[in-house]
Amino acid sequence: GQNIDQPTEMTATEGAIVQINCTYQTSGFNGLFWYQQHAGEAPTFLSYNVLDGLEEKGRFSSFLSRSKGYSYLLLKELQMKDSASYLCVLRPQTGANNLFFGTGTRLTVIP
Amino acid sequence: NAGVTQTPKFQVLKTGQSMTLQCAQDMNHEYMSWYRQDPGMGLRLIHYSVGAGITDQGEVPNGYNVSRSTTEDFPLRLLSAAPSQTSVYFCASSYAGATNEKLFFGSGTQLSVL
Repeated sequence: GQNIDQPTEMTATEGAIVQINCTYQTSGFNGLFWYQQHAGEAPTFLSYNVLDGLEEKGRFSSFLSRSKGYSYLLLKELQMKDSASYLCVLRPQTGANNLFFGTGTRLTVIP
Repeated sequence: NAGVTQTPKFQVLKTGQSMTLQCAQDMNHEYMSWYRQDPGMGLRLIHYSVGAGITDQGEVPNGYNVSRSTTEDFPLRLLSAAPSQTSVYFCASSYAGATNEKLFFGSGTQLSVL
């Protein structure tokens, strides 16, 4: 089976940097995604890691350590519009693109 | 490009009623799926399909039926609605095969069963 742990809520200041951590246990691993979900909206894709290391995409970066079962999402130069839930998501199996979602971290950006 | 179109946006049902949530995508995606999202829980997979004529159960399939007669459409049927099915439902699609394929989500259906 799969299990994902991430903090329930975080607060950060506009312009700052915030790191959202995710630890996981899984019986099979074919990648880890981060999705963003604004309140009342659908999740949207942010990043994908399958190899150890850092993937950078603009203000957002995602890190993966497979041996530690650990990932983080780093958000730089925070903007008010970054207030959202951030979902750590596993792809445990090959074949069908079935994903296993964590409960999400609700980030509030304050002025 | 419309992407994933999901209807209705809101629905209220009485216990025992049946209904169908519609999902259509215009990206020629092989893979389609239905998730439900409840407070304090991650999205949970209900049913999925890897192509026309092929469907399979996810984590929480009981009380739901699906069919995939075309590549574009993947409706979700509630056979006899129960209050436990009150939730937000998302349809999602992607290309199949590569492990890095991202899901594209519909806008969601807020369902309340009284």
